[in-house]
Amino acid sequence: SQTIHQWPATLVQPVGSPLSLECTVEGTSNPNLYWYRQAAGRGLQLLFYSVGIGQISSEVPQNLSASRPQDRQFILSSKKLLLSDSGFYLCAWSGRVVSGGPRAYNEQFFGPGTRLTVL
Amino acid sequence: GNSVTQMEGPVTLSEEAFLTINCTYTATGYPSLFWYVQYPGEGLQLLLKATKADDKGSNKGFEATYRKETTSFHLEKGSVQVSDSAVYFCALRDTGRRALTFGSGTRLQVQP
Repeated sequence: SQTIHQWPATLVQPVGSPLSLECTVEGTSNPNLYWYRQAAGRGLQLLFYSVGIGQISSEVPQNLSASRPQDRQFILSSKKLLLSDSGFYLCAWSGRVVSGGPRAYNEQFFGPGTRLTVL
Repeated sequence: GNSVTQMEGPVTLSEEAFLTINCTYTATGYPSLFWYVQYPGEGLQLLLKATKADDKGSNKGFEATYRKETTSFHLEKGSVQVSDSAVYFCALRDTGRRALTFGSGTRLQVQP
């Protein structure tokens, strides 16, 4: 079976400091990977998605960047955090659920999330 | 473009009451529709899905029917429990799109 990990679970950072959030997936290969942000009292906004190593698509212009150095690793970064970067960050994957089976993009599986507070 | 509209919460119900959370959508293609649930302090879990018109998704006593004529995917449960208290998100994935479009979420509070 597949699992998705995110860390840290919570983070408090000062304005202007750098950020690195990590997401890893186990039990599948060549997944599509996604970063979403959930601001307080709001829905989820797609930030980035990746279909392969080194391939990143950005959905909205912002202060954040993403990288995919390995097949099952997805990193969200910032050089200088803003107050507006506070929120709940969720990583998700989609793809091959059964070993050797077809890749299915219809369903996305979410990690436990990272709660970021920028002060 | 694509969008999902959910009824605003919070929705407060007594245990064993009937639940309806409305969801309507706009999409350019033939989307798949989803309901996700987020329990306090946790990530999102897929609750149910429907991939074509008139499909009914069901799980844990929750149901939703894909209505193309009304572009709706309302979530229902006949008898809610305190443990159903959570935020519920309606979402769609349009044809040819890799990512999901989410509604703003509806908080459900069930009182004993």
